[in-house]
Amino acid sequence: DGGITQSPKYLFRKEGQNVTLSCEQNLNHDAMYWYRQDPGQGLRLIYYSQIVNDFQKGDIAEGYSVSREKKESFPLTVTSAQKNPTAFYLCASSISRAQETQYFGPGTRLLVL
Amino acid sequence: QKEVEQNSGPLSVPEGAIASLNCTYSDRGSQSFFWYRQYSGKSPELIMFIYSNGDKEDGRFTAQLNKASQYVSLLIRDSQPSDSATYLCAVRGYSNSGYALNFGKGTSLLVTP
Repeated sequence: DGGITQSPKYLFRKEGQNVTLSCEQNLNHDAMYWYRQDPGQGLRLIYYSQIVNDFQKGDIAEGYSVSREKKESFPLTVTSAQKNPTAFYLCASSISRAQETQYFGPGTRLLVL
Repeated sequence: QKEVEQNSGPLSVPEGAIASLNCTYSDRGSQSFFWYRQYSGKSPELIMFIYSNGDKEDGRFTAQLNKASQYVSLLIRDSQPSDSATYLCAVRGYSNSGYALNFGKGTSLLVTP
C-alpha cells in the first residue's frame, strides 16, 4: 500500500526543547517537502529536497532543520529557535522537483506546553 | 512573493447545485495549476490539475483556466454534503526557493442538505 506516513499525529513541545517530526514515503518519489499550515492561512514551504543528501531552504526555514539520508525519509526538526512552533505540519512528495504534482501525508499537529 | 488569492467564504450551496470556486494569481508566467480539497483537521488531497487554457473535466469536477485573465476556477456539479471542505488553489511559480507551489488560503464550501 503506497503512500506517505507522518508520525506522530500529535506532538507536544516544552520550552527550549527540540522535537523531530517523521515523514516516510514508499512512492519512490525523488522530491520531498515540508510545509507549515496555520489556522486560516495557506501552506508555507519550510524545506524541500530534490534528491538524497541534498535539501534547500524554503520561505520560512528559520528555526527548523532537516536531513535526507535515505530516499524514503525526510525528518524535520523543530528547534528551540522556532519561537512560534504551534501549527499543522505537512510533508509532501512528488516524482521530481520538476514534476510539481505533490501528494501529502496525514500531517502532524505540534502544540507547545 | 507570488500571490494566489481565494475568497475565504464560506460558500454555501444547496445539495445538487453547482458550486463555483475561484482563484486568481499574480505570476503571469505560471504554468501549472492545482486544486486540493482539505477536510477539517486533515491533510490536502489532490482533486485535479490543469496546464492549458480551457476546461478539464473529471467526474463531477471541472477545472477552468484563463491565463490571459490569470484566473482558475473549479466547478463541482451535483454538490453533495460530503463535498463540504476547504478547497485550496495552488499555482506553480518561481520564488527565492526556486520553482514551488504557491497556495491560496482556501475557500470553505458548505453544501446544505
